[in-house]
Amino acid sequence: AQSVTQLGSHVSVSEGALVLLRCNYSSSVPPYLFWYVQYPNQGLQLLLKYTSAATLVKGINGFEAEFKKSETSFHLTKPSAHMSDAAEYFCAVSDRNAGNMLTFGGGTRLMVKP
Amino acid sequence: DAGVTQSPTHLIKTRGQQVTLRCSPKSGHDTVSWYQQALGQGPQFIFQYYEEEERQRGNFPDRFSGHQFPNYSSELNVNALLLGDSALYLCASSSRVFSPSGANVLTFGAGSRLTVL
Repeated sequence: AQSVTQLGSHVSVSEGALVLLRCNYSSSVPPYLFWYVQYPNQGLQLLLKYTSAATLVKGINGFEAEFKKSETSFHLTKPSAHMSDAAEYFCAVSDRNAGNMLTFGGGTRLMVKP
Repeated sequence: DAGVTQSPTHLIKTRGQQVTLRCSPKSGHDTVSWYQQALGQGPQFIFQYYEEEERQRGNFPDRFSGHQFPNYSSELNVNALLLGDSALYLCASSSRVFSPSGANVLTFGAGSRLTVL
């Protein structure tokens, strides 16, 4: 069975600082990996996805993530945090044969201090 | 493009009652998935429908059932509500048309927040 672990349920950074949100997964086969963002009272919005092309994936709003097979990780980064980045972030994994069924991590709430 | 629309946005029920949640997929999408997101947790997969049949199911009891209509819209039904069913229910749509990347991305609605008293 697949699983996703997001280390740190809350992360606080200052505006302009580096954002690093951690995600580790377990899967018996190379998976598809995703990062979603959820703003208050809204659904999930896709930030980026890894599907076996380049291991460094660029997404929207300046976010990027690097797939590291040896570490089974897919950490999300952004060089400079903005106040508007404050939200809940979810890492998710999908088995290539699972037909879009996503397994989500528990989420990381990002707080950005002025 | 209206995206994925869900109704109602909020509702309150009492234990033992039944609830029906509705979802209209994004234009061009033919597959609908439902997820349950309890407070402070990540979404959990309930089931997925396409061609009007349940195709995959997560670890949820039979009290959770669904339906997909010919226009691809979907309903989620929960019977004999428990306090633990209080959650945000998210509908996500996608297309089964082959994607060159191999991963057909889900588009999520804003959810229906169910409170069971």
